Amino acid sequence: QSVLTQPPSVSAAPGQKVTISCSGSSSNIGGNYVSWYQQFPGGAPKVLIYDNVKRPSGTPDRISGSKSGTSATLGITGLQTGDEADYYCGAWDSSLRVVVFGGGTRLTV
Amino acid sequence: QVQLQQRGAGLVKPSETLSLTCAVSRGSFTGFYWSWIRQFPGKGLECIGEINESGGTNYNPSLQSRVTVSLDASKNEFFLTLTSVTAADTAVYYCARKSAADGWYDPWGQGTLVTVSS
Repeated sequence: QSVLTQPPSVSAAPGQKVTISCSGSSSNIGGNYVSWYQQFPGGAPKVLIYDNVKRPSGTPDRISGSKSGTSATLGITGLQTGDEADYYCGAWDSSLRVVVFGGGTRLTV
Repeated sequence: QVQLQQRGAGLVKPSETLSLTCAVSRGSFTGFYWSWIRQFPGKGLECIGEINESGGTNYNPSLQSRVTVSLDASKNEFFLTLTSVTAADTAVYYCARKSAADGWYDPWGQGTLVTVSS
């Protein structure tokens, strides 16, 4: 059972917008930065968002991150079929002293 | 751009030791944490442990008694050993670079499926 809580799946039509939520507690999301990862079948996760809202080079600006209190949200606009993947949130947990992850959300476009 | 290349046995017998190596190319160990993460068949991700350039380590409390992460800077490699494995340790194991103690992971290795079975 994952420390952070994500919906198992979300779906939306091409061109539309989708949001993926990630819920935690004061020891992780509430007090530390959140990162988001994209994983295609058979591949390794790849960072999409770090420090709550920052995009590494290579992440398009139609992908965004936000955080409020003990929850974080990943947003993707202008959905493309190539966005179909699993998405994971992660955050440092000050009590456990490890990075904890959500269980992942499967995006269907 | 830093690249991580993993190698190690994909099949380990119960009660034996899992050993994996991660080779770091086009980068140095300085300023980062070098980590091992595993992904269970049901998709969940779990941090195993990590090491910094000075040899300081941090382990998941649930695995601390069985895990060791080490590095050989002269070979640009770091290592994972997990002792007394059981079927519950069957997973895809990834190495990754972490930006800071409380940071984010980038890049990741290609992953190694490790199956624990006799």
